[in-house]
Amino acid sequence: NAGVTQTPKFRILKIGQSMTLQCTQDMNHNYMYWYRQDPGMGLKLIYYSVGAGITDKGEVPNGYNVSRSTTEDFPLRLELAAPSQTSVYFCASSPPDGGTYGYTFGSGTRLTVV
Amino acid sequence: GENVGLHLPTLSVQEGDNSIINCAYSNSASDYFIWYKQESGKGPQFIIDIRSNMDKRQGQRVTVLLNKTVKHLSLQIAATQPGDSAVYFCAESFGNEKLTFGTGTRLTIIP
Repeated sequence: NAGVTQTPKFRILKIGQSMTLQCTQDMNHNYMYWYRQDPGMGLKLIYYSVGAGITDKGEVPNGYNVSRSTTEDFPLRLELAAPSQTSVYFCASSPPDGGTYGYTFGSGTRLTVV
Repeated sequence: GENVGLHLPTLSVQEGDNSIINCAYSNSASDYFIWYKQESGKGPQFIIDIRSNMDKRQGQRVTVLLNKTVKHLSLQIAATQPGDSAVYFCAESFGNEKLTFGTGTRLTIIP
């Protein structure tokens, strides 16, 4: 099992550019999450999904979009990159009762917007 | 709003000593707590969890203590090793709701 796989690991974007952060999991988890982690800070929830075709906003959704067309994939889209979006992005997944069994995290994507 | 926080942002411990990392939570209804370890350049990894019907739970070299009276959670690591150097996060949830993460404590093991 690969677990949760994120690509790319690193990316530099110019202001106004767009990109998609990829996340895929092979554990057949229904729930998937996107977090951002700013330097020296904790994890902030951007978006989450409880299953294919269903997505919901988290704590900091502005500037991002997501889709969930399959159970395995949960891509995060940045349409107009801004310096404030410089961060490390983590994708995670969990079974339906993920709030009671914890999450499995990917290794992260380090994004710099210049 | 409700949040989970940590008392100490950094902690340095001599190799071989025991370390204690603390966490305060404010949602008295939270019934599930987890400790995660995050090594540099990696995603958080599950260490140990505890439910609100327990006060203590032990794993391999790690123990989590829960004091519901003062809403306090701690992680004890016995006989620390260089590989224990990392940032440790606590997280909480209520029912099956999403986890809420604390800010984290950076643990440094001094050789």
